[in-house]
Amino acid sequence: EVQLVESGGGLVQPGGSLRLSCAASGFMFSRYAMHWVRQAPGKGLEYVSAISSIGDTTYYASSVKGRFTISRDNAKNTVYLQLDNLRPEDMAVYYCARGVAWNTNRWSHYFDQWGQGTLVTVSS
Amino acid sequence: DIQMTQSPSSLSASVGDRVTITCRASQSISNCLNWYQQKPGIAPKLLIYGASSLQSGVPSRFSGSGSGTDFSLTISSLQPEDFATYYCQQVYNTPPFTFGQGTKLEIK
Repeated sequence: EVQLVESGGGLVQPGGSLRLSCAASGFMFSRYAMHWVRQAPGKGLEYVSAISSIGDTTYYASSVKGRFTISRDNAKNTVYLQLDNLRPEDMAVYYCARGVAWNTNRWSHYFDQWGQGTLVTVSS
Repeated sequence: DIQMTQSPSSLSASVGDRVTITCRASQSISNCLNWYQQKPGIAPKLLIYGASSLQSGVPSRFSGSGSGTDFSLTISSLQPEDFATYYCQQVYNTPPFTFGQGTKLEIK
């Protein structure tokens, strides 16, 4: 069974840092790009970041670029999201998702597996 | 970044109704469009990818169409379990892959 399990969320003050983890199981992790998506309380989905299957290519939403860093350890089947210089507007549930390419563009993905999410609260 | 605009933002309908949700991209995205369903407190679920391909296990009452900038998700006969929020997502070229703002489908 495919599983994605996020951890690392919690309460942090503005300007603080957190590292989120997403542990994968049940599939060949190293063959898939991975994504992070967040959802502020009562709001819609917001795309955050992506990393290629071998970790050589990363992408970020403009709202987090320069403050968040995505990485992965294929030996540990885990993808990470380092959150630095956090702002109140970063408060959200953070989901990791598996990206599956469905056409010749290797980045035309659909997200077929999602974790349960981890809550990041930014407040003084 | 490509902007995605869904309409309506909310919709009231009855069991058995046929409903359509639309999504417009700020530029042409070919058929690089996914649809997700989300229920409160639960991660999104993939319904449609590539604008019109039904994800495995998703009921055939869900269908998607469109290309370029205009897309739609249709539910042919609403079931009680379909009341949820629906999101479109563009996956054109490279990330960031933006979502629409969501359409909340409520029971009339």
